[in-house]
Amino acid sequence: QKEVEQDPGPLSVPEGAIVSLNCTYSNSAFQYFMWYRQYSRKGPELLMYTYSSGNKEDGRFTAQVDKSSKYISLFIRDSQPSDSATYLCAMSPNTGNQFYFGTGTSLTVIP
Amino acid sequence: DAGITQSPRHKVTETGTPVTLRCHQTENHRYMYWYRQDPGHGLRLIHYSYGVKDTDKGEVSDGYSVSRSKTEDFLLTLESATSSQTSVYFCAISESMVASQDTQYFGPGTRLTVL
Repeated sequence: QKEVEQDPGPLSVPEGAIVSLNCTYSNSAFQYFMWYRQYSRKGPELLMYTYSSGNKEDGRFTAQVDKSSKYISLFIRDSQPSDSATYLCAMSPNTGNQFYFGTGTSLTVIP
Repeated sequence: DAGITQSPRHKVTETGTPVTLRCHQTENHRYMYWYRQDPGHGLRLIHYSYGVKDTDKGEVSDGYSVSRSKTEDFLLTLESATSSQTSVYFCAISESMVASQDTQYFGPGTRLTVL
């Protein structure tokens, strides 16, 4: 079993839709949770960074962590064509900086 | 890309040849990492460095070696390239080794094809 599971998609939505991206994990030691956005043929760029359970909002993006269910989500409101990218979840335990990545979900927002 | 450059950006080579990829940072971050990204596997850590001349293995280190003689440069060498090493290679940097203090920032990637 992989440490982090992420549905690869692809996911296709109309412009303006609410998008929900999810990851599950098996290691209860994970404390830090990240979402990266990766455009085609580019490096991943940090989108959201959260610690432990709860929600964090940044503009149209909301990251949610449910440690009891070992489940994290990224919500994108009012999705735009510029949001079309692959979204990677990543997580890390409390000690060290070893990151564990999901395989990424490919999102296309159709104008 | 957080002051990170990678060279070359694209390379095609033949099986059995040595290949060296370079990562250069201008952020003066202590920690540097090499990952490979493959369909269905996501990003996997190859090696990382926690200071000049200080390196350690990651999840998929077999067939790879690294060197760091200066803070700003981290080299990844494929000693004898194989077709299974065809991949996109990303360098990342972070200021801290502790996730609570910093996260990792990625370079633009090197696309390597081994024929």
